[in-house]
Amino acid sequence: KAGVTQTPRYLIKTRGQQVTLSCSPISGHRSVSWYQQTPGQGLQFLFEYFSETQRNKGNFPGRFSGRQFSNSRSEMNVSTLELGDSALYLCASSLVGGQGGYEQYFGPGTRLTVT
Amino acid sequence: TQLLEQSPQFLSIQEGENLTVYCNSSSVFSSLQWYRQEPGEGPVLLVTVVTGGEVKKLKRLTFQFGDARKDSSLHITAAQPGDTGLYLCAGESYNTDKLIFGTGTRLQVFP
Repeated sequence: KAGVTQTPRYLIKTRGQQVTLSCSPISGHRSVSWYQQTPGQGLQFLFEYFSETQRNKGNFPGRFSGRQFSNSRSEMNVSTLELGDSALYLCASSLVGGQGGYEQYFGPGTRLTVT
Repeated sequence: TQLLEQSPQFLSIQEGENLTVYCNSSSVFSSLQWYRQEPGEGPVLLVTVVTGGEVKKLKRLTFQFGDARKDSSLHITAAQPGDTGLYLCAGESYNTDKLIFGTGTRLQVFP
């Protein structure tokens, strides 16, 4: 079974631009979560999507948004990029998510650099 | 805010040594997971512990969930260079239905 895939793997953007990252979960997994990982803050939860609906959200500004499609693939978008948005963005899929279903499988991440 | 504190933050040891990583919180979790992350990759799930007091073994790795479900430990016996990586614990929260990640322990095992 193929693992979680994320595209692109690396991205360089300029302040003020916007970016869209893509995640394809493991086949059959319906929950997709997004995380931001930085050396200073560690792994921080952005949001979770389940059956095309945002089920949970972390404490990030509205510049960070996401969506999930009917095939469970997910995208996240960051608008008006800031230098502090430079990070490794990780996507994780799980069978159902939520309580008792949170064994997550992570993709390799997208390394975003904002200059 | 729920926090999961891991200690130590950094650990540098020689091959063959034993080590223990701790994951502590004041909150109760319904389950706790341990992940290992290597540079340039996403975290890989090692184990999930669900029952208070539960002990699980994965080859040279032993995981324990505290009786009160607030803490966990990871013990590695006879560490090898292949154990090098960032170890993360993550607790599943009753209240918020989210997975809360720990602060991480970076382990370096030298041959």
